[in-house]
Amino acid sequence: QSVLTQPPSVSAAPGQKVTISCSGSNSNVGSNYVSWYQQLPGTAPKVLIYESNKRISGIPDRFSGSKSGTSATLGITGLQTGDEADYYCGTWDDSLGAYVLGPGTQVTVL
Amino acid sequence: EMQLVQSGAEVKKPGESLKISCKGSGYIFDGYWIAWVRQMPGKGLEWMGIIFPDDSDTTYSPSFRGQVTISVDKSINTAYLQWSSLKASDTAMYYCARLGVGSYGMDVWGQGTTVTVSS
Repeated sequence: QSVLTQPPSVSAAPGQKVTISCSGSNSNVGSNYVSWYQQLPGTAPKVLIYESNKRISGIPDRFSGSKSGTSATLGITGLQTGDEADYYCGTWDDSLGAYVLGPGTQVTVL
Repeated sequence: EMQLVQSGAEVKKPGESLKISCKGSGYIFDGYWIAWVRQMPGKGLEWMGIIFPDDSDTTYSPSFRGQVTISVDKSINTAYLQWSSLKASDTAMYYCARLGVGSYGMDVWGQGTTVTVSS
């Protein structure tokens, strides 16, 4: 049972936009940076966003991150079939003294 | 090229011990924390803990403290994850990752090691 909450799944047609929320509390999202990871089927995860809104070099600007209060959001615009994957948010939790990952959100391109 | 290369798949029986490895190359191994992440079949990612190779400083997730041991041999740029007595519930894919971006962001990942525990 993660301390972070993500929707189990989101979907949209090619070219459209999806947003994935990551809801936490003052001890995690509210007071620490958030990273976002993409896991394509059968592969290791890959970081997309760090420090809540910074894109990793080489990640297209279709991917964006933001944070407000105890919630963070990953946005994907111009959705492509290659974006079908599981997406996880992660952040440090001051109360647990450990890094926590959200349960993951499956993105489906219709 | 920065990379982490993990040891191969393991099949073990309940009660057996196991140590899997993660070898770093292409960067200064001593200077970056290494994390271990578990992914049980069909499930999400779970952060297990981290180790700093230079001084072996270690932090465990409360969920995994006492269940596994994270260690490192910096002379050969290798981190380890070990169990003293495996359970069927330890069956999972295990990833190591480098904490290289921002605050605890994991930017370089190993290919994963599959551990199967079955009688």
